[in-house]
Formats: sequence, C-alpha cells, structure tokens
Amino acid sequence: QVQLVQSGAEVKKPGASVKVSCKASGYTFTDYFIHWVRQAPGRGPEWMGIINPIGGDTTYAQKFQGRVTMTRDTSTSTVYMDMSSLTSDDTAFYYCARDRNQLLPKYYFEYWGQGTLVTVSS
Amino acid sequence: QSVLTQPPSVSAAPGQKVTISCSGSSSNIGNNYVSWYLQLPGTAPKLLIYDNNQRPSGIPDRFSGSKSGTSATLGITGLQTGDEADYYCATWDFSLSAGVFGGGTKVTVL
Repeated sequence: QVQLVQSGAEVKKPGASVKVSCKASGYTFTDYFIHWVRQAPGRGPEWMGIINPIGGDTTYAQKFQGRVTMTRDTSTSTVYMDMSSLTSDDTAFYYCARDRNQLLPKYYFEYWGQGTLVTVSS
Repeated sequence: QSVLTQPPSVSAAPGQKVTISCSGSSSNIGNNYVSWYLQLPGTAPKLLIYDNNQRPSGIPDRFSGSKSGTSATLGITGLQTGDEADYYCATWDFSLSAGVFGGGTKVTVL
C-alpha cells in the first residue's frame, strides 16, 4: 500500500530554517510527482510546490519562490522541503502529497503524509 | 482570502442532502478540472472527487461532483454523522501558476 511518512514536529525561532522529509513506499517512486501543501491552524490548505522525482525539477508557488527548496533522493525514495527565513506566519502543518496521475501531474492529491507541525516562535 | 470561494458552513439532518459550492474564475475553475477533499479533525485531507466528477476507489457514490462554467459543486446524499468534516475544493490557476484551494466548508449533521 502507498505510504508517505514524514519527519517529526519541529520548533524553530524566527529567521531559522527547517527541513522536512517525506519517505515514500508502496509504489515506484519515480512514477509520480510529489506536492507540498501546508495548512495553518484553522485555515485551508495552501499549495507550495511540486517536484518531479525523476529529474528533480521543481515548480514553486510564487509566494514561496526564493525561500523554499524541494529536493529528492531516489536511492531512499525520499523528498525534502527546505524553508528558510521562517516567521510566525509559517507556523503550520506541512504535508507531502502524491499526485494521482502517473508521470504527468494533474494536481490531484491522492495520498498524503501524516503531516509535520512546524512551530515558529521566539 | 482564498482564490476559490466556498460557504463557511452547511448543515442538514441525517439522511438528507447537502451541496457545497465552489466559485472561481476563468483562470482556474473555468479552464481546469476540479477536485474535492474531506478533512476530519487532526487528519490529512482525503481525495473525494477528481476530474470534476470522478470518485477514487473506495469513495461511496453518496458523494458526487459537478462543474458549470466557473463554479463547481460537491453533493453529499444520505448524510451520516461520520460526514461531519471540513470540505475543500481545489484546482490549478493559470494566472498564479499554482494549485489553489477553497477556504473550506464545515458540514454539520444536525
């Protein structure tokens, strides 16, 4: 069965960086794009970007460009989301989500990780 | 302020039907497929509908989706207490070059 297992909760100070991992299993890692979606407490989800597991090419939402980097390690079937210059507004659950469509993403988030709570506080 | 507009809440008695609207524009819903998600408290969202009206395996046919112009609708029939959750619509927005979500609708079973 498809599983996405994320790293544990993080507490960071303003200005710091955080790196969240997402380990995939149960399918061919290079066949499906992975998205990152965040959700602040009491708010709706917010799409952050997408990574192609084959070549590692990425597309980021304009809001996060320059502050977010998504990478992948095909040897461990793991994707990473690195965010810098954190502020309190970045306090949220961060989810990785696998696209439903094989090889060509259609921006349907079919399988989700359990979420990683990132808290930014001084 | 979300790009896609949903009503904050809807409610109905068990066994009844509810519909949730999702309003967008020509840069998103008007020219793209829509998906819908259910989110129970403390859990990740779950895909309910894709391609406007298709259900993934395991999703009961009590859930249905439709799209017309720049709006989409999720319908839930035979409402059950387990359907109490937050529901979100989503699509791609050409102008923003980003995936976008609605603000969410809380379904309450009276």
